[in-house]
Amino acid sequence: DSGVTQTPKHLITATGQRVTLRCSPRSGDLSVYWYQQSLDQGLQFLIQYYNGEERAKGNILERFSAQQFPDLHSELNLSSLELGDSALYFCASSVGAMTRAVTSTDTQYFGPGTRLTVL
Amino acid sequence: GQNIDQPTEMTATEGAIVQINCTYQTSGFNGLFWYQQHAGEAPTFLSYNVLDGLEEKGRFSSFLSRSKGYSYLLLKELQMKDSASYLCAVGSNYQLIWGAGTKLIIKP
Repeated sequence: DSGVTQTPKHLITATGQRVTLRCSPRSGDLSVYWYQQSLDQGLQFLIQYYNGEERAKGNILERFSAQQFPDLHSELNLSSLELGDSALYFCASSVGAMTRAVTSTDTQYFGPGTRLTVL
Repeated sequence: GQNIDQPTEMTATEGAIVQINCTYQTSGFNGLFWYQQHAGEAPTFLSYNVLDGLEEKGRFSSFLSRSKGYSYLLLKELQMKDSASYLCAVGSNYQLIWGAGTKLIIKP
């Protein structure tokens, strides 16, 4: 158990709908990262938050948005869902902010993931 | 550009030793991470190397050569539960750059 929690574990919805995925980081971690992993594909970095502020953006679609709240939990909102959005969505957390000098404090610990199925 | 290369798939025998290679070309380097990911599960952290040399953790060891842009993960006394994907990630300029992963298949 990494200490990172994600809800829900599974989500089945229809095209065009909107869903919200939730993540609580490990105690003491200030960074939260969101990743998408389609079947048999690599991890695709979506976005990072550090202490409530957006820190870095990856290949995140405009239909997707995220935020980190004062209690440090984070939510990933996916809207106008398409069949291709079906994937595992992972949240990870770390102590560090992922500065220019990445260090061991940037070690990411992953939650169990949310499996999203769009029908 | 930023690039990490790992073999797509490897097969090894239970009880044997396997070496999974990772080569990288990145604009900066601040450490290399290895993760294990079982199918359908979350990646779990294995090791972090920032200095050249070998780091040993039980049956798993990780090696880094910064001058060659090269790392490997060595798994000894392979067990069936080691069947998983192994992901290499490089810390570079405010981000982690992830490799596509190596799927390791263990045969009895």
